[in-house]
Amino acid sequence: RKEVEQDPGPFNVPEGATVAFNCTYSNSASQSFFWYRQDCRKEPKLLMSVYSSGNEDGRFTAQLNRASQYISLLIRDSKLSDSATYLCVVPGYTGFQKLVFGTGTRLLVSP
Amino acid sequence: DTEVTQTPKHLVMGMTNKKSLKCEQHMGHRAMYWYKQKAKKPPELMFVYSYEKLSINESVPSRFSPECPNSSLLNLHLHALQPEDSALYLCASSPQVGVHTGELFFGEGSRLTVL
Repeated sequence: RKEVEQDPGPFNVPEGATVAFNCTYSNSASQSFFWYRQDCRKEPKLLMSVYSSGNEDGRFTAQLNRASQYISLLIRDSKLSDSATYLCVVPGYTGFQKLVFGTGTRLLVSP
Repeated sequence: DTEVTQTPKHLVMGMTNKKSLKCEQHMGHRAMYWYKQKAKKPPELMFVYSYEKLSINESVPSRFSPECPNSSLLNLHLHALQPEDSALYLCASSPQVGVHTGELFFGEGSRLTVL
């Protein structure tokens, strides 16, 4: 099983829609999880950190399911500017310094 | 604007050239990283410096040589690269090593083309 797995998408949704992405991880000892956003030809930027059961920031909600070993990212009321690739990131088996990036889920929000 | 500054933004070099990529942060972060990213792929970790000491080298070929002159600066020296080394090279920093290590601040990257 890969350390981190994501559905690559793309997810095509209209403006105003609610969309959710899942990310599964294999290291059951992981204590922290991260969602990054990366626009085309730009650097990744931290979107949300998850250290317990979940986190919410405006239209964005991240939830952690330790039993099933997945984290989800929910985006409500999608905006055109939400179009990007969303990367799931978890610490690797060898420790905090070695972060493992998922392949990313591409989101396209259309008018 | 990102608080991690990388130069140059673009670099074209031949396989016999020697060049360097530079990264600077003034956030007082004690961990700095080099990542390599190919098109439509996630970033791949190359090197980690913690408190100015190299702590992780992900079996990177010796034609890539990192250097951390001080806590604010990180360099990547390039020599005898191959065309397949063409990629976006991302520098990142984080406040410290530990559970919050995943909160990385990335620079805009240096886009490298090897001819």
